[in-house]
Amino acid sequence: AQSVTQPDIHITVSEGASLELRCNYSYGATPYLFWYVQSPGQGLQLLLKYFSGDTLVQGIKGFEAEFKRSQSSFNLRKPSVHWSDAAEYFCAVVQGRGSTLGRLYFGRGTQLTVWP
Amino acid sequence: GAGVSQSPSNKVTEKGKDVELRCDPISGHTALYWYRQSLGQGLEFLIYFQGNSAPDKSGLPSDRFSAERTGGSVSTLTIQRTQQEDSAVYLCASSLSAASYEQYFGPGTRLTVT
Repeated sequence: AQSVTQPDIHITVSEGASLELRCNYSYGATPYLFWYVQSPGQGLQLLLKYFSGDTLVQGIKGFEAEFKRSQSSFNLRKPSVHWSDAAEYFCAVVQGRGSTLGRLYFGRGTQLTVWP
Repeated sequence: GAGVSQSPSNKVTEKGKDVELRCDPISGHTALYWYRQSLGQGLEFLIYFQGNSAPDKSGLPSDRFSAERTGGSVSTLTIQRTQQEDSAVYLCASSLSAASYEQYFGPGTRLTVT
């Protein structure tokens, strides 16, 4: 079965500093991977996705993520964090291509705090 | 354009009562998903609809939970005889089709069972 691990429950960074949020997945085939962001009281917003091809993917709000098959990782990065990036971030994997099941398996989330 | 909408945004109910949660997906999206978000369990899949049928109900936690979708659009999640452990945020998502995999989420319904 698929599983997603986000090792860091809470991360604090200063505004303007770089950010890396870690995500590891467990899945037999090539996974479809996602990062979502959730602001307080809001639903989930898709930041970026990886299906195939270039292993470095660009997303919205200046975020990027790199798929590393050898490490089963899909870490999220941003070169310079803004105070508005404070939120909870979720990594997710979906059952692979050819399936009719699109259910997402989520990590437990990483809460990001940004100091001014 | 309009995103996924859910109603009510908040619901407080007494233990043992039935509740209905509603989801309006993005127009034209054929796949619809329900998830539950709670402190203890994180984000959990509940059920998936393709059109009006539910090929995957395996995430429903008990037979007190049911869902339907009519006209390939609006979906209702019903919880009968609510229990305190049902307290959570219930999120709905839709996608163009199941094979598109890219899901768009609504703001959720926060359910509190007292």
